[in-house]
Amino acid sequence: RKEVEQDPGPFNVPEGATVAFNCTYSNSASQSFFWYRQDCRKEPKLLMSVYSSGNEDGRFTAQLNRASQYISLLIRDSKLSDSATYLCVVNTGGKLIFGQGTELSVKP
Amino acid sequence: GAGVSQSPRYKVAKRGQDVALRCDPISGHVSLFWYQQALGQGPEFLTYFQNEAQLDKSGLPSDRFFAERPEGSVSTLKIQRTQQEDSAVYLCASSLAAGWGEKLFFGSGTQLSVL
Repeated sequence: RKEVEQDPGPFNVPEGATVAFNCTYSNSASQSFFWYRQDCRKEPKLLMSVYSSGNEDGRFTAQLNRASQYISLLIRDSKLSDSATYLCVVNTGGKLIFGQGTELSVKP
Repeated sequence: GAGVSQSPRYKVAKRGQDVALRCDPISGHVSLFWYQQALGQGPEFLTYFQNEAQLDKSGLPSDRFFAERPEGSVSTLKIQRTQQEDSAVYLCASSLAAGWGEKLFFGSGTQLSVL
């Protein structure tokens, strides 16, 4: 079993849709959590950190459930420019472990 | 420079050839990381430096892989006797402070193809 698991998708949604990505992690001692975004043939870039209380950045909302070892990312009012791969990242034992990524394609 | 710089951008190697991949982190960044990303997968951790010290090399897949950062800035990832399974994008990332909790800044990667 992978340490960080994501649904690889692809998720194909129309502009304006709300889409949610899920991620689970296996190590209960994991310390910090992030979502990174990776455009095709580009490097990953930090989208947002994920806090236990949940946090929001514009159209993006991240949630963490430590008891279930579950992380989510919600994108509201999706834009064409949101098309990318979204990587769930977990700091486990001092290492940043990446999930395989969930591909999002937003269509006009 | 303004960001993390990696060279070459593309590398084609014949099986058995040795390759060296270079990473120039953001000036002043203490931590430097190497990741390997296969097609359709997320980045896999290879190794981590804090200044010139290699603190974690647990992700290096075999003893054919070697990384160094002798002066605490530029780093080189060397792969000896390349195999086809080494074909991947090799990403370098740096962060300002020590430790793993900091934001990582990635370079554009070196795409290695072993024929």
